[in-house]
Amino acid sequence: AQTVTQSQPEMSVQEAETVTLSCTYDTSENNYYLFWYKQPPSRQMILVIRQEAYKQQNATENRFSVNFQKAAKSFSLKISDSQLGDTAMYFCAFSGSARQLTFGSGTQLTVLP
Amino acid sequence: GAGVSQSPSNKVTEKGKDVELRCDPISGHTALYWYRQSLGQGLEFLIYFQGNSAPDKSGLPSDRFSAERTGGSVSTLTIQRTQQEDSAVYLCASSRDFRSSYNEQFFGPGTRLTVL
Repeated sequence: AQTVTQSQPEMSVQEAETVTLSCTYDTSENNYYLFWYKQPPSRQMILVIRQEAYKQQNATENRFSVNFQKAAKSFSLKISDSQLGDTAMYFCAFSGSARQLTFGSGTQLTVLP
Repeated sequence: GAGVSQSPSNKVTEKGKDVELRCDPISGHTALYWYRQSLGQGLEFLIYFQGNSAPDKSGLPSDRFSAERTGGSVSTLTIQRTQQEDSAVYLCASSRDFRSSYNEQFFGPGTRLTVL
């Protein structure tokens, strides 16, 4: 079974600064996908960024980028130029041969004005 | 529709009553998932429908929980004889093609269930 661990229950960052959210996972599979989802107070889960395990290049989406370390089973999210709208719960998730997502416990990020 | 929709948005029920939660996936999406989000357990997988195949029910917590998907589209999650520990937000998600290894899931806004 896969497990996903987010060790930072809460984090805060000043507007316009950079913040990194940590995620580690455990799996015996070689081909899988990793995701970061954002959940604002509206409850709507929104995909932020995804990474295919077979790709060595780290994924980037505008202000969001990941640091994927396959050997270390680490998948951190960096948010640059933080904005007030980035305030949300962030979930790291794993998808492998079983198509359903396995989620971490989440990190509540607060962007301070 | 433009996205995954769920109804009702909120549901309050009394212990012991049955409830039905509905999910309308994105048109054309062949895979549909149900998850539960609760304070104590985080986000848990419940059940997964993949095209016309038998669903993966491995995440259902008890036999009080069941789900069906009619015509490969709308899905209903039924909880019988509700208990207070069933109180949670129930999230539905769909993805384009379960055979695709990419598998981006699009989530609905969830149904908040409160069992008194």
